[in-house]
Parts: sequence; structure tokens; C-alpha cells
Amino acid sequence: DAGVIQSPRHEVTEMGQEVTLRCKPISGHNSLFWYRQTMMRGLELLIYFNNNVPIDDSGMPEDRFSAKMPNASFSTLKIQPSEPRDSAVYFCASSLQGGRETQYFGPGTRLLVL
Amino acid sequence: GENVEQHPSTLSVQEGDSAVIKCTYSDSASNYFPWYKQELGKGPQLIIDIRSNVGEKKDQRIAVTLNKTAKHFSLHITETQPEDSAVYFCAASRGGSTLGRLYFGRGTQLTVWP
Repeated sequence: DAGVIQSPRHEVTEMGQEVTLRCKPISGHNSLFWYRQTMMRGLELLIYFNNNVPIDDSGMPEDRFSAKMPNASFSTLKIQPSEPRDSAVYFCASSLQGGRETQYFGPGTRLLVL
Repeated sequence: GENVEQHPSTLSVQEGDSAVIKCTYSDSASNYFPWYKQELGKGPQLIIDIRSNVGEKKDQRIAVTLNKTAKHFSLHITETQPEDSAVYFCAASRGGSTLGRLYFGRGTQLTVWP
């Protein structure tokens, strides 16, 4: 299996620009998670989906962040407009059965907002 | 919600020595406790997990113990090797629902000196 695929791996953008991060979960997994990792705040859950439906988006920092999962094999996390404090590594993870089973993480997208 | 605390934040050991990382959790309903290892530039990967119906689980040089009464669990690595150097995260999840999420600790940076 190819594992969780994320793109791009690195993104450098200027403040105010729109950023779209993409994720392809492992085939057959029905739960998908978006995390943000920073030195200051550690690993934070932003949002997670079960069967393509958003279940908990309480971790989304503010209205500038949005996430979609139009089908079982694709999800996006969008930041618009981006700000320097959004600089972080963003991980996507998928699992078979929500939080009770192993979550498989992608390699992450390293975002730098100048 | 659940609160997972992890100690220490950094740990340095000599190659061949043992390393112990401890976590506490607050939600008595949590019953799934995974440990993840994150190497530099990569996403976290599951190394071992334990469910609340067992008190200890071993896999070669790593073991996890769980004390549900005290609400704490620990990761033990014996005969440490330089390749064990990484950030380790503990997590907890409530069972009984497929919609649950993982709550992560802040991580422990383990360094094994040759």
C-alpha cells in the first residue's frame, strides 16, 4: 500500500495568499484527520472526518481555515488568507475506525508563510 | 475532554541503557493507549499500543504498562540504540465509539548517545 499521500511536501507563500493542502488517505480507511504541529503547541488536531462527514472541527483555529472531503479518497485543508503564524507542519492521517484504531500519518506538508 | 500529560519532555541516555516515558490521562472512559515515534522530517508512526483489558504488552525491546486505577501508562525501551533517537508521543482514546479521536501528549525527545 502506498500509505497516506500528502501534497505538496513543502510550501512557501506570502502573507495573504491562499494555501491548499491535499491528502489521499489509505484505501479502505473511513476516518481522516488533519493535524498541525509546531514547537510551541505540539501536535494539534484540527478536524476529523468519518465516512466523509466532518465530526469535530473544534480544533480549527479560525474562519480562515476550512477543510473538505468530497469523497473517500481525497481531502483538502485550505487557509485563506494565510498569515505568518500559520507556519507549521500539517499532517494528514487516516484510520479504519476513528480513534480506536491505528492512525497512519502522511509525511506532512511543511508550510512557511512569509 | 481528555487531557494527556507526558514526562519528561527530553530524555538522554547512553546506548544500552533503558528509557522510560510516562503519561497520565484524565478521562476514566479512555481505553485505548497508543505510542507513536516520530523521526526527523517524518510523520508519527505507531510503535505499540495497549487496551484497557491488559496491564502490559511487550514487543521485542519495547513494552508498555497501564495502570487504569492511577490513570497512567508508560513506555519502556530496553537496550537502547542510537536509532531509537526520536520524538515519542503517547495518546489516549475513549472506546465505545467509532467516532472517537486520539488525544496526544506533548512528546518526549529521546536522544541515545553511542
